[in-house]
Amino acid sequence: GAVVSQHPSWVICKSGTSVKIECRSLDFQATTMFWYRQFPKQSLMLMATSNEGSKATYEQGVEKDKFLINHASLTLSTLTVTSAHPEDSSFYICSAAWVGTNTEAFFGQGTRLTVV
Amino acid sequence: AQKITQTQPGMFVQEKEAVTLDCTYDTSDPSYGLFWYKQPSSGEMIFLIYQGSYDQQNATEGRYSLNFQKARKSANLVISASQLGDSAMYFCAMRALGDGTASKLTFGTGTRLQVTL
Repeated sequence: GAVVSQHPSWVICKSGTSVKIECRSLDFQATTMFWYRQFPKQSLMLMATSNEGSKATYEQGVEKDKFLINHASLTLSTLTVTSAHPEDSSFYICSAAWVGTNTEAFFGQGTRLTVV
Repeated sequence: AQKITQTQPGMFVQEKEAVTLDCTYDTSDPSYGLFWYKQPSSGEMIFLIYQGSYDQQNATEGRYSLNFQKARKSANLVISASQLGDSAMYFCAMRALGDGTASKLTFGTGTRLQVTL
């Protein structure tokens, strides 16, 4: 299957700072990338959908000014958690797809964010 | 709107036995895809198997098979000959199949499977 690389795999940051998470499609052009958030022992909740070259579409209840998503190229999307607070501590995971993808969604390895 | 229901928060199975993980769904989309993912403690999401709503036959991938009953809106995962390495969280998910553009996945709450000796 296609390879999606997410970096970093874990990060600890201080309250008030910003953290950037990268999601790269290594062997295909990802026209669409999805960002999910997962709290401990819970399911994945979609935060936003980003299409290359256009603004991300955020799910209801997700603050777009806090979770900045950029999808400037067909192989890279970034999620920046701005002014992080301890309640932003979570597991963030991206998936990538291209036009015509129906049978799979390829996920990155995930990023465990801890805000102290 | 789509909804996935996994009613088994946890399951135990003995090594080498088969186990069925339940998944029911609800959707108004005429065409959709159903997925199962495995999430070990490391957090990565491992794709296991896919079933399209118009597929006539149940999907199989090695030790994984999907028992698709469209009228009952169920898509249960069957794991045969369980191995210790199968211990993980399992998620059922679905997406609408439309004009070829990728659509989001809707996930169930997951089932934690523990394989015992």
